[in-house]
Amino acid sequence: DIQMTQSPSSLSASVGDRATITCRASQSISNYLNWYQLKPGKAPKLLISAASSLQSGVPSRFSGSGSGTDFTLTISSLQPEDFATYYCQQSYGTPYTFGRGTKLEIK
Amino acid sequence: QVHLQESGPGLVKPSQTLSLTCTVSSGSITRGDYYWTWIRLHPGQGLEWIGYIFYSGTTYYNPSLKSRGSILIDTSKSQFFLRLTSVTAADTAVYYCARGVATPGPTFDSWGQGTLVTVSS
Repeated sequence: DIQMTQSPSSLSASVGDRATITCRASQSISNYLNWYQLKPGKAPKLLISAASSLQSGVPSRFSGSGSGTDFTLTISSLQPEDFATYYCQQSYGTPYTFGRGTKLEIK
Repeated sequence: QVHLQESGPGLVKPSQTLSLTCTVSSGSITRGDYYWTWIRLHPGQGLEWIGYIFYSGTTYYNPSLKSRGSILIDTSKSQFFLRLTSVTAADTAVYYCARGVATPGPTFDSWGQGTLVTVSS
């Protein structure tokens, strides 16, 4: 299985701060990397596909980068609604695997 | 915009079978390039891909289930289903159904809100 190592596991930040989350794959996955936002009681939301493609309707403060084994999700200026848990997912091969998540909390 | 909704019992006894339904609305379940998927979130842990089914009935499962899982589809009702046999406390999780689209690997672009299933006697 392809292991996805996500860091940090938690992040405390303030509104307006820049937040960066990283995800490392145990083998090269090209750009087959997606990012999701999860909030309790809500449907998870796809933010970015194919490492850097912003989904329709997702604010431009979200961006993704990387290829091969190392990937980054950046939120340029945190808004109150961004405090949630974020997961990366590889779609390179089965079983499709996720990172352990990064909980973004308000400082 | 497609909408997915999970339904099923919230409590299952150990060794019994967990059965969940996902109802798909405002979207076609019969498109050949959609992966109708089940994913779960274990308490305090990460997300786990369970498996998916195409409208044709072709399925793929996570080997971690050790053949306990099966996914079925009823296109006439726009529903797909998860069956997980011989459950234990380790199967306690929030279960999500989702739609996968090929980009080219499956990207899960629409999800249900999830349903908590607790395995306990």
